[in-house]
Amino acid sequence: DVKVTQSSRYLVKRTGEKVFLECVQDMDHENMFWYRQDPGLGLRLIYFSYDVKMKEKGDIPEGYSVSREKKERFSLILESASTNQTSMYLCASSFRQGAEAFFGQGTRLTVV
Amino acid sequence: AQSVAQPEDQVNVAEGNPLTVKCTYSVSGNPYLFWYVQYPNRGLQFLLKYITGDNLVKGSYGFEAEFNKSQTSFHLKKPSALVSDSALYFCAGLKYNFNKFYFGSGTKLNVKP
Repeated sequence: DVKVTQSSRYLVKRTGEKVFLECVQDMDHENMFWYRQDPGLGLRLIYFSYDVKMKEKGDIPEGYSVSREKKERFSLILESASTNQTSMYLCASSFRQGAEAFFGQGTRLTVV
Repeated sequence: AQSVAQPEDQVNVAEGNPLTVKCTYSVSGNPYLFWYVQYPNRGLQFLLKYITGDNLVKGSYGFEAEFNKSQTSFHLKKPSALVSDSALYFCAGLKYNFNKFYFGSGTKLNVKP
């Protein structure tokens, strides 16, 4: 079974802190994604990566950056956390174009 | 613009009755279409997908979905609902040869005993 693991289930951070969310997949998938999920808004794509060191902006990249130094790991960075970044963050990976995505369990981030 | 729509925020059904969760898509070309389920405080789980071929796709937990190109729809169905099917369901589209998924806003399914 594919496993996508996010480093934390719950995080509480202070406004202005730099926050790292880590995601690791164990199936050699090419593509990795970061989404945020908010009630009534569904899933919105922040960034995705189709190869090591390659990334593309999604729909809401402002205030975020990403890093993919190794194929199995995709990190989401909040450069200076703000309260409007309080949300559920979901990492996903897929084998190749056209394949289904597999999701991690999510990280619920609260910025106070 | 590419998009996927789920017109119902919530669907209520009695246990044992058939259920339908609706999805329409506006994704150009021959899109790939997916259904996912999310239980509280969990990530999304893949249920089924349509790529090509038979318009009726069977997936996990007894779910199936019907692709209708003329109506640009991909509705999720199950002949007999269970209380344990209560969850949030997401439809997603993927443009052929692209990486970006387009997710619907989600439909909460409530199955009452």
